[in-house]
Amino acid sequence: EAQVTQNPRYLITVTGKKLTVTCSQNMNHEYMSWYRQDPGLGLRQIYYSMNVEVTDKGDVPEGYKVSRKEKRNFPLILESPSPNQTSLYFCASSRRQGIYNEQFFGPGTRLTVL
Amino acid sequence: AQTVTQSQPEMSVQEAETVTLSCTYDTSESDYYLFWYKQPPSRQMILVIRQEAYKQQNATENRFSVNFQKAAKSFSLKISDSQLGDAAMYFCAYRRQGGSEKLVFGKGTKLTVNP
Repeated sequence: EAQVTQNPRYLITVTGKKLTVTCSQNMNHEYMSWYRQDPGLGLRQIYYSMNVEVTDKGDVPEGYKVSRKEKRNFPLILESPSPNQTSLYFCASSRRQGIYNEQFFGPGTRLTVL
Repeated sequence: AQTVTQSQPEMSVQEAETVTLSCTYDTSESDYYLFWYKQPPSRQMILVIRQEAYKQQNATENRFSVNFQKAAKSFSLKISDSQLGDAAMYFCAYRRQGGSEKLVFGKGTKLTVNP
C-alpha cells in the first residue's frame, strides 16, 4: 500500500529535550515536506526537500532541522523543543511538478512540549 | 507572497442540501494550481478536488465541484447532496507552478452536517 508513515503519532516531552519525528514514504517520491498545523492558522511549511541531500527552509523553519540522506526518509529534528512548538505535524511527499503529482500526507504527529 | 483566505471559520448544512465554501487567494503568478483538502476528525488530509489555473472549465469530482474565477482570484467549493461523512475541516490551498512545490493553505472552514 502506498503511504507516508510518521512516528511517533503522539509525543509529550519537556522543554529542551531533543527529539526526532520520523517520516518515511514508499512511493519513490522525490519531494518531501514538513508542515505544522495550529488552530486558526492552517498548515504552514517548515522545511522541504526536492531530492536526496537537497533541503530548504519553508515559512516557519526556526527551531527545526531536517536531513535527507535517503530518498524514502525525511526526519524532523527539534534540537531544543520549546512550548511554542506544541503543534500537529504533517509530513507530505509527491513526485516533482504537475498538478496530478498529488502531495500525500502522513497521519500526523501530535506534539506537546511542556 | 501568496496568501489564501477562507472567510468562513464555520459553516453548517442540512443533510442532502448543498453548501458552498468560499476561498480567495492572492498571487502575482499566472500559472498555478488550487486545491481543496478535507480533514475529518481522524486528522488525515484528504485531497478533494484540484484545479489548474489555465483551465477555464471548473473541476468536478462526484458531489464536489468548484467555481473558479481567475480574475476575481476566487475558488469556492460546492458540496451537493451533503452527507454526514462530509463533516470535517476543509482547507483551500494554492501551489505555484514550479519552484518549491509548497502548498499555501487557508485557515480552514469547519463544516457541520446536521441530520
